Amino acid sequence: ELKVEQNPLFLSMQEGKNYTIYCNYSTTSDRLYWYRQDPGKSLESLFVLLSNGAVKQEGRLMASLDTKARLSTLHITAAVHDLSATYFCAGSYNTDKLIFGTGTRLQVFP
Amino acid sequence: DTEVTQTPKHLVMGMTNKKSLKCEQHMGHRAMYWYKQKAKKPPELMFVYSYEKLSINESVPSRFSPECPNSSLLNLHLHALQPEDSALYLCASSPGTSLFDEQFFGPGTRLTVL
Repeated sequence: ELKVEQNPLFLSMQEGKNYTIYCNYSTTSDRLYWYRQDPGKSLESLFVLLSNGAVKQEGRLMASLDTKARLSTLHITAAVHDLSATYFCAGSYNTDKLIFGTGTRLQVFP
Repeated sequence: DTEVTQTPKHLVMGMTNKKSLKCEQHMGHRAMYWYKQKAKKPPELMFVYSYEKLSINESVPSRFSPECPNSSLLNLHLHALQPEDSALYLCASSPGTSLFDEQFFGPGTRLTVL
């Protein structure tokens, strides 16, 4: 069964710095999603990655997918406080069922 | 209308109560989902309805009973819950035309079982 792991689990970073969140999955996943969740709130879709080498960018966030390495990354450029949230990746293979990673709690401080 | 709505936002119930959670979407989506999320944990899938038929039940206890009366509406009936069932219950929908469809989540219902 597909397992999805993220690291780090917690990330405290200074405003203006860059960092990367890693999402590893155990078996084939035919798609990879990134979601953002603010405390006590629902999940907001950030990116959908469907093919090897896919790269998507929105503002200070960029996501990529390497299906051969079973790895997706979420890169944060010049972090700002508004990016503080929990970020989840999720994968799936040949089913409606999404398997979520453990989540990365990001805290950006001045 | 491009959102998934859920009611109520908060629910407190005793272990002997019967209550229902409601989810609605008017995007013409044909797949709808219930997820359960405990604090500081990722969401876990409970049920999937595809074209108003139950397609996935993740071995959820029978005290949770889903219902999909029509393509826009999804209910979750609750009966004889336990305190450990307290969680955020999220509804999601997707077009249902492809497995690659994106899922759109509602704001959730925060359930507390006393």
